[in-house]
Amino acid sequence: AQSVTQPDIHITVSEGASLELRCNYSYGATPYLFWYVQSPGQGLQLLLKYFSGDTLVQGIKGFEAEFKRSQSSFNLRKPSVHWSDAAEYFCAVEVSSNTGKLIFGQGTTLQVKP
Amino acid sequence: EPEVTQTPSHQVTQMGQEVILRCVPISNHLYFYWYRQILGQKVEFLVSFYNNEISEKSEIFDDQFSVERPDGSNFTLKIRSTKLEDSAMYFCASRWTSRTDTQYFGPGTRLTVL
Repeated sequence: AQSVTQPDIHITVSEGASLELRCNYSYGATPYLFWYVQSPGQGLQLLLKYFSGDTLVQGIKGFEAEFKRSQSSFNLRKPSVHWSDAAEYFCAVEVSSNTGKLIFGQGTTLQVKP
Repeated sequence: EPEVTQTPSHQVTQMGQEVILRCVPISNHLYFYWYRQILGQKVEFLVSFYNNEISEKSEIFDDQFSVERPDGSNFTLKIRSTKLEDSAMYFCASRWTSRTDTQYFGPGTRLTVL
């Protein structure tokens, strides 16, 4: 079955520290993968997406993610976290090329310590 | 930057009542979606809509739910007879056309069924 797993429900990092949020997917075909961020009271904002080509993709706000087919993973990274990065992060996979249906992971809440 | 808007931001209703959640997608977009997130759970796909008809719907989207694009700008989700378990955050999203285009999400409507 198609699914997305984010193993870490909650992560706390210190401001300035590096960050890695994990995402594993289960999908039979070539996946289209996404990371979205949700700040309180806001909608889901796209950070980055992977369709094909270079497996290291750059996104907004200094985020990047690496697609590893062998590990079925699409982990999100940032070298130095800012207090404003505190939010909920969602990994998603598009499972229908006709309709664009997305399947989301559970989400990871990031807390940033000063 | 264009954005998806949703009204109201919070709706409280009594069980058994009908509710209509409204969305204004980005103006030149052609694909429209509703997702929902029950508190503490994943964001779940409900329905996709293209060319004035439903292109895909989930098991959740039963006969109590309907969608409509009544006037070429609004996109509505109607729940005919709300249940307690319909309490959730409902997100509208839209996409321009092809699969590589981004789905843009609105800020959500929090529906509380008492």
